[in-house]
Amino acid sequence: GDSVTQMEGPVTLSEEAFLTINCTYTATGYPSLFWYVQYPGEGLQLLLKATKADDKGSNKGFEATYRKETTSFHLEKGSVQVSDSAVYFCALTKIYNQGGKLIFGQGTELSVKP
Amino acid sequence: GAVVSQHPSRVICKSGTSVKIECRSLDFQATTMFWYRQFPKKSLMLMATSNEGSKATYEQGVEKDKFLINHASLTLSTLTVTSAHPEDSSFYICSASSADNYGYTFGSGTRLTVV
Repeated sequence: GDSVTQMEGPVTLSEEAFLTINCTYTATGYPSLFWYVQYPGEGLQLLLKATKADDKGSNKGFEATYRKETTSFHLEKGSVQVSDSAVYFCALTKIYNQGGKLIFGQGTELSVKP
Repeated sequence: GAVVSQHPSRVICKSGTSVKIECRSLDFQATTMFWYRQFPKKSLMLMATSNEGSKATYEQGVEKDKFLINHASLTLSTLTVTSAHPEDSSFYICSASSADNYGYTFGSGTRLTVV
């Protein structure tokens, strides 16, 4: 079945360091891909998305490119801040905008130290 | 933007009692609601999917008689944990989707503790 695999956490970085969180997926067809962020004790917020191959999603300095050839959607940020400390989830859906369920990766905890 | 209000944010209940969690879409019509359960430092486990006016579709291994889901209107879905036990203690999150919303909007979650 369809699945999402993220790199293991926790990831600990110093402020202003470069961030990469790897995400690969297994799915037939052309899924839509997402990155969500969860701050402690809260629900999930959409960080960015891409709905077709070669699309680049970006928001708040974060970027991810939908690479169909490598089935990947790696999250990157050039300079992280302490406020970026959170858990990041990669996800996919096969039926975007029609009530299709999201399939999540296991989450990667990011801790940014001053 | 789209907002989903989830209440309560925290609830403590005694073992054997039932607890109801509400999710409301405030500025859009949620044709589909998803209910997730999240264990500490774990990913989200989809429990069920509900479409307005229809019975919920439960994921394999989720007890439908224990986790009652109602989606009677386009703006409200409820999850009732019946006869709660300590092992039901968890973080529950709802998510709403509609064609007009172009995506998924998550509630802020409910921390359930059964004592």
